[in-house]
Amino acid sequence: GQQVMQIPQYQHVQEGEDFTTYCNSSTTLSNIQWYKQRPGGHPVFLIQLVKSGEVKKQKRLTFQFGEAKKNSSLHITATQTTDVGTYFCAGPTNTGNQFYFGTGTSLTVIP
Amino acid sequence: DTGVSQDPRHKITKRGQNVTFRCDPISEHNRLYWYRQTLGQGPEFLTYFQNEAQLEKSRLLSDRFSAERPKGSFSTLEIQRTEQGDSAMYLCASSLRTSGRWNEQFFGPGTRLTVL
Repeated sequence: GQQVMQIPQYQHVQEGEDFTTYCNSSTTLSNIQWYKQRPGGHPVFLIQLVKSGEVKKQKRLTFQFGEAKKNSSLHITATQTTDVGTYFCAGPTNTGNQFYFGTGTSLTVIP
Repeated sequence: DTGVSQDPRHKITKRGQNVTFRCDPISEHNRLYWYRQTLGQGPEFLTYFQNEAQLEKSRLLSDRFSAERPKGSFSTLEIQRTEQGDSAMYLCASSLRTSGRWNEQFFGPGTRLTVL
């Protein structure tokens, strides 16, 4: 069945360091979304990528969708303590009938 | 607050009992989703509705689970004969379907179920 894996599972960084999480799907995704979940909170939408090879930026966050639409990455430049949380990639299968979340990367930022 | 709301926020029940959760989506949203999330895992898709029609149901959803959205507004998720393995956070989300895409989903705070 469909699997969406993320690496790393956990990442501890010093405040100011960069952070990257990678998302890999076993099948092609028609689009990919990224969500952030703070400890004790619920997932909050960050961005959606639709086109193969697409790159989008939101301030210190850079999102990329792979050419084959099976992988994606999120890069945070100069992390801040407010970046703490778990980052999930997610997307529908090509059939569009179900929506899969990745395994998540938990980010801890050490002040 | 015009966000997604869920009720109750917490539910403790004994094994074998039935439980029902409610989700009120953002009012103009035509899609509603149910997910289950256990500690340290990503949300697992359970089912979704477009208006009142249930369009897809995950194989994760056993026959003990049923969801409804009778008037295309609020939704209920019922679990019959609960088992300890059902203990999880049950998340509801809603979105506005446009252009045939799976758009941004807005999540509610979740209902945490504990089965003793």
